[in-house]
Parts: sequence; structure tokens; C-alpha cells
Amino acid sequence: NAGVTQTPKFQVLKTGQSMTLQCAQDMNHEYMSWYRQDPGMGLRLIHYSVGAGITDQGEVPNGYNVSRSTTEDFPLRLLSAAPSQTSVYFCASSPLVGAFTEAFFGQGTRLTVV
Amino acid sequence: AQRVTQPEKLLSVFKGAPVELKCNYSYSGSPELFWYVQYSRQRLQLLLRHISRESIKGFTADLNKGETSFHLKKPFAQEEDSAMYYCALTGTASKLTFGTGTRLQVTL
Repeated sequence: NAGVTQTPKFQVLKTGQSMTLQCAQDMNHEYMSWYRQDPGMGLRLIHYSVGAGITDQGEVPNGYNVSRSTTEDFPLRLLSAAPSQTSVYFCASSPLVGAFTEAFFGQGTRLTVV
Repeated sequence: AQRVTQPEKLLSVFKGAPVELKCNYSYSGSPELFWYVQYSRQRLQLLLRHISRESIKGFTADLNKGETSFHLKKPFAQEEDSAMYYCALTGTASKLTFGTGTRLQVTL
């Protein structure tokens, strides 16, 4: 009963390094998204996808790339890490977006950029 | 644009006291509203959704379109209610937008 799995759980990067945060779901959900959680700012949407091959920007997309080659996976790439990207990142999935939709979240990745 | 506002960062109440977590939204169409909760060391999870008009763990929330609000209420707070609560909205752009969250602290 895996649900939404994020890896790694913790990561420390140096400024300028690149890395990929992994997200996988085994529920055959169409909709997947990435959020960052910062104190006092709640969860802010970075990128989202409504299906394989389709991605779109959220409210804070700069510095991040995504792709959706399969239904199951939705990796988030940091191109050149900056201290401002220090945050907790959450991946979520849902079968569709609407009134009866429940979004399922991963356990989060705590990223520190030094 | 869709926006969710939670004016309180922290709400501290005594056990047994009533709870009201405020949520206001901005959206030009007909939104779908949700409350999500994050207990300590646990994943964010759905608490309730307005369309179901349900009561979960004693919590209820009524959508007031005139005031564009979706406040979360519980008549008697319990210690186990201490958590971070997020109001969220879905519009037509297939995006789930969250507010900034309110930390509920229930003390003895």
C-alpha cells in the first residue's frame, strides 16, 4: 500500500548544484503536483500535471523543471540550487481534480541549500 | 485567479472550548473547497470537503458563497486536534490552491 512515495527524505545541496526529487504513485492517478512548504507561506504550487506528457506551471515555477513521461512518475528538477530553494517539498496525486477529489500526499523531502 | 486566505497563523484554545478556523477565498466561478490537516510527523491528509457536507472528527465547515468563506468549526476542542490546518480550493484550471495554514494548539 505504497501510495505516493518521495525520495530522498532529506538532502543538502551546495549552491549551484542540480538534483532531482523523485515522486512516484501506484494509484494510477492522472493528476500530480509539486508544492513547497515554507513557514508562514503555506503550500505553494510549483508545477502540476493532468496526465502523461502534460505539465503546467503553478505559482512559483522559477528554478524548477518537471516532466511526466509516465502516469506513475513526476520528478522535480532543480537546475541550479539556490538558498531560497531551501524548503520542504511535497508531491501529491489525485485521480482528477474536482469536488470529490482527494489529493494524496507524499511524506515530503526536506531540502537545505547552503 | 484563485486565492485562499487564512488570517490566523496560530489559534490557541483550551480543551473543551469551541474552535473556529477561518478561511476566505477568491474565485470568480464555482469553487470546490476542502480542509486538509497535517498532524505532527504525519502526511498532509484530507479532513473534509464542502460538497459532502459531512462531519469528520467532530469538525464541520459550511460554504458561504455570499461571504466567500469556508470556516472550519468544532464545538469542543480535544488535545488530539492540535495540528496544522490548511484550507484549499479547486477551480477550473485543474489546480489545487492552499492557504497559508493555521496551527491549532489545544491546551489543558
